[in-house]
Amino acid sequence: TQLLEQSPQFLSIQEGENLTVYCNSSSVFSSLQWYRQEPGEGPVLLVTVVTGGEVKKLKRLTFQFGDARKDSSLHITAAQPGDTGLYLCAGDGAGGTSYGKLTFGQGTILTVHP
Amino acid sequence: SQTIHQWPATLVQPVGSPLSLECTVEGTSNPNLYWYRQAAGRGLQLLFYSVGIGQISSEVPQNLSASRPQDRQFILSSKKLLLSDSGFYLCAWSGGTGGEYFGPGTRLTVT
Repeated sequence: TQLLEQSPQFLSIQEGENLTVYCNSSSVFSSLQWYRQEPGEGPVLLVTVVTGGEVKKLKRLTFQFGDARKDSSLHITAAQPGDTGLYLCAGDGAGGTSYGKLTFGQGTILTVHP
Repeated sequence: SQTIHQWPATLVQPVGSPLSLECTVEGTSNPNLYWYRQAAGRGLQLLFYSVGIGQISSEVPQNLSASRPQDRQFILSSKKLLLSDSGFYLCAWSGGTGGEYFGPGTRLTVT
């Protein structure tokens, strides 16, 4: 059973469209991170959210941590081809205790067509 | 600033041969270090993590082992590779909170 469920698994959209990626769990996390990965490279940390209900913005990207710290979402406004990649969510400290080990979702492959 | 290095970038090895992948971190002290494997460009599977020199925790029983001979050096090894060991291997470090920082990865193909 996957501890962190990401949806959708695949997303193919046109440039300028908006999109939302979801990351859900039945477990409580002490923090949650979002990463973006391009083919053949390591994931790059985009954001860390630690407080229930927290919202962070990074240019056209908006990240939200659920009130109960069990879920998170990533919203991209006016997507661009440069946003194409694999988006991964990862939770730290399942069950409310931080061990310094992340649990990763299976990822969402986003393709933005010009 | 901190940087993380992995080598080699790509590796093709026959079944039954040994393996040694190396990871080093610069610009930080006493980092937590991690080895992950990623299959088919999807989610990451944690293989080993280390909170200090000589301290290794294994997450998944397997054909691989890890060692941390120095504070900022993490090595992934195998005595005899299996076909199923093929994949993209990633090393990462963290300061304990706030996310992990990944190296460029090693693409391993076992033939």
